[in-house]
Amino acid sequence: VQLVESGGGLVQPGGSLRLSCAASGFTFPTYAITWVRQAPGKGLEWVSLISGSGVNTYYAESVKGRFTISRDNSRNSLFLQMNSLRAEDTAVYYCAKGTVPVALFDAFDIWGQGTMVTVSS
Amino acid sequence: SYELIQPPSETVSPGQTARISCSGDELGIKHASWYQQKPGQSPVLVIYHNDKRPSGIPERFSGSNSGNTATLTISGTQVMDEADYYCQAWDSSTAIFGGGTKLTVL
Repeated sequence: VQLVESGGGLVQPGGSLRLSCAASGFTFPTYAITWVRQAPGKGLEWVSLISGSGVNTYYAESVKGRFTISRDNSRNSLFLQMNSLRAEDTAVYYCAKGTVPVALFDAFDIWGQGTMVTVSS
Repeated sequence: SYELIQPPSETVSPGQTARISCSGDELGIKHASWYQQKPGQSPVLVIYHNDKRPSGIPERFSGSNSGNTATLTISGTQVMDEADYYCQAWDSSTAIFGGGTKLTVL
């Protein structure tokens, strides 16, 4: 069971970035997947959640209207489109898998290695 | 908005029992989870659904949740358990993390 993030990098304030998360080793469409971020030297902050089907999505207030979560179950992939980026979005972004099949609001039992996003001019 | 409060740090001697608290309004009616994060590594789930251990997590890790407080207990703490620990729960379709507790084993 593995999650591998990609797509991070340096972007200017106001810019956009699209993160990807490739999943393997489990029945991807069965599980809700989430994005969690961690600013340098800070704690964990939940960003967004998507149901297994992709129909239901949820966002933290800090990113609502700027970030969009999506998934392609045919490619076992998760995405996070980030627009209007701000300095405070600078963080390592992790994707993480829900623990129980089908359940939405659950613990996260498998985490990727993270991808760094830096928003700076 | 909902908050989970953790002590910033705890210190324990090797072989002793470490207890890390997590406080939130009526937390006991929610499911609490705990994550361990070592420097430079991704978080690892150590307790979910208040008191369940994922496969591969040592038996010395246990959890409880009642009233307004969830507690992570590490019995016979080992040096390898030194890490940051985060509690987490869901409130109004939002995942909430506590601020984290740095556990020092010395």
